[in-house]
Amino acid sequence: SQKIEQNSEALNIQEGKTATLTCNYTNYSPAYLQWYRQDPGRGPVFLLLIRENEKEKRKERLKVTFDTTLKQSLFHITASQPADSATYLCHTGFQKLVFGTGTRLLVSP
Amino acid sequence: DTAVSQTPKYLVTQMGNDKSIKCEQNLGHDTMYWYKQDSKKFLKIMFSYNNKELIINETVPNRFSPKSPDKAHLNLHINSLELGDSAVYFCASSRGEGEAQYFGPGTRLTVT
Repeated sequence: SQKIEQNSEALNIQEGKTATLTCNYTNYSPAYLQWYRQDPGRGPVFLLLIRENEKEKRKERLKVTFDTTLKQSLFHITASQPADSATYLCHTGFQKLVFGTGTRLLVSP
Repeated sequence: DTAVSQTPKYLVTQMGNDKSIKCEQNLGHDTMYWYKQDSKKFLKIMFSYNNKELIINETVPNRFSPKSPDKAHLNLHINSLELGDSAVYFCASSRGEGEAQYFGPGTRLTVT
């Protein structure tokens, strides 16, 4: 069955560094991948969408890559700030809509 | 201006009761969704509607019944509530399949 895997361990980095989060998928070839941010007690907020024919997408300090050979998407936040601390979810849809379990990012001053 | 709104924000009820959660979006989107997020924070699709028509119905007990009176509303009715129904329920909308989804603030349901 379709599966999305994200690192369940929290990622701790220092302010100013680049955070890199990973999303791996198995058993299917999605047409797109999306990344969302979720803060405690709130709904997910859409960040970026990348389609299968795109290698890379950027938005301000955010960058997403999509490697269909490795079956992986990487999400980068450059010049990270404490305000970037949140849980980041990847999402795709093939025969069904699937969200990853999310990776918690902690950016310390 | 709230894009996707849900009511109520909190819902505490006893086992066996019937309850409804309402969702409205003012984005003009064609597609609306209901998700369940459990205590482990896993977000799972329950239903998806496109132009008031059901297009996704995951393995959800038939105690859960979505209703879409118009394109801007997708309500969730739950019969005979069980302890395992306790979770946060999120409504979302998008322009279409594969497009960005906009989520509501969530409804925290607690069944005692």
